[in-house]
Amino acid sequence: DIQMTQSPSSLSASVRDRVTITCRASQSISSLLNWYQQKPGKAPNLLIYAASNLQSGVPSRFSASGSGTDFTLIISSLQPEDFATYYCQQSYSAPLTFGGGTKVEIK
Amino acid sequence: QVQVVESGGGVVQPGGSLRLSCAASEFIFNNYGMHWVRQAPGKGLEWVAFIRSDGSYKNYADSVKGRFTISRDNSKITVYLQMNSLRAEDTAVYYCAKDEPAYCGGGGCYGVFDYWGQGTLVTVPS
Repeated sequence: DIQMTQSPSSLSASVRDRVTITCRASQSISSLLNWYQQKPGKAPNLLIYAASNLQSGVPSRFSASGSGTDFTLIISSLQPEDFATYYCQQSYSAPLTFGGGTKVEIK
Repeated sequence: QVQVVESGGGVVQPGGSLRLSCAASEFIFNNYGMHWVRQAPGKGLEWVAFIRSDGSYKNYADSVKGRFTISRDNSKITVYLQMNSLRAEDTAVYYCAKDEPAYCGGGGCYGVFDYWGQGTLVTVPS
C-alpha cells in the first residue's frame, strides 16, 4: 500500500498569512495526488486534483504543485473560512490512501 | 446541483449487519463509479470500497474485504454498502462519494472523489 505522510499535522496561522502544507508518498505516484478540505461536522470537499488542478468553484488563493513523491498545497492569503483540516490522497493505485491530515487553526 | 445522500446508519451490536444506501441525483448515475469512504470519530479518512459505473468491477480496503459488499442499482440511482460481521473498529461516519475518472486521466482509472454526501454514522459498541 502507498503511505501518504502530511506535515505538519497542525499549524496556527493568522488571516492573510501564507500557509504551506506538504504531502509525501511512500513511492512515486506521478501526478495522481488530490487535496481535500474538511470543516468540522462536514464532508470533505475536493480542492485540487491531479496535483495542481483547481476544482471548479475553489478560490484561486489555493494552489498546489508536485509530482513523483513530494507535493505541496499553498494557501496564498488565509481567509477565515479556510480554517479547516486538509487531506492529501493518492489516486495512483488501490487501496486509495489519505494522508493523516493537517489542521489549520487560528493563531 | 449534484447530490448524494446516505442513509441507513445506526447502532448495531458486534457481529451484526447493516446496509447503507446512497441516493444520487443531478448527474448521469450510470456513467460514474461510486465510493464509500469512512471516518472514525476524531480520526482521518479511510477509503472503503469502489464500484464501477456498470457494477462490473469492485474493490475493497483490506480492512473490510470479505465482510462488506458494495453494490448498485442503476434503475434506482442508488449504491449500497452491505456490512456484515461488524466490529467496534468499524464505528465511523460513512460517506458516499462520486468518482470522477477524468480527473485521473480516464482510461478506466478511478479514485478522485468530486462530490460527497453528508455521511451516516455507524456505531458498533465495544
